[in-house]
Amino acid sequence: QLQLQESGPGLVKPSETLSLTCTVSGGSISSSSYFWGWIRQSPGKGLEWIGSISYSGSTHYNPSLKSRVTTSVDASKTQFSLKLSSVTAADTAVYYCARLLGIRSFFDYWGQGTLVTVSS
Amino acid sequence: EIVMTQSPATLSVSPGERATLSCRASQSVSSNLAWYQQKPGQAPRLLIFGASTRATGIPARFSGSGSGTEFTLTISSLQSEDFAVYYCQQYNNWSTFGQGTKLEIK
Repeated sequence: QLQLQESGPGLVKPSETLSLTCTVSGGSISSSSYFWGWIRQSPGKGLEWIGSISYSGSTHYNPSLKSRVTTSVDASKTQFSLKLSSVTAADTAVYYCARLLGIRSFFDYWGQGTLVTVSS
Repeated sequence: EIVMTQSPATLSVSPGERATLSCRASQSVSSNLAWYQQKPGQAPRLLIFGASTRATGIPARFSGSGSGTEFTLTISSLQSEDFAVYYCQQYNNWSTFGQGTKLEIK
């Protein structure tokens, strides 16, 4: 059974960079069939797709966040990561990692989510 | 950006009855539409993809229909564990989600 687990700081200061890692277990991160994505959920904006990455490093980002988002994959560690720069209070949310069945797809496996609060 | 609009915001239904949830896209998404169920403190759970295909392990009382801009999720006979928030997601043009429908016990 595929499992995903987010990890990273729960508190980030305004203007700094939010960094999260998703560890994948119970399956391979290296398959060309899948993409790996980040989604966030806040009371104000609901569910919002942030971006997706393939194991080969092909990336696709939400246009509204593209200028601040970077994602990467470390297949040797079965992990992929998210960096969101210049954060503000509006970036406070529960962040989920998930698997996609292709570049434009639904999310079939999700991590449990991690709350990130942006505050000084 | 494709805007997904779900209705109603809240739906009150008695156990054993049928629930019908709607999702409308601001432009055609073909059949590239998924439904998710979310319970408090949990991640969304995939129910339906391709507008009408149930995900692995999803009971047959869940069914999806529609194409283009109008979609429906039907739960034929509500069980206690079905009361939750439901989201639609289009993945025809990147990915956007609806704002959710809260299904509550009447």
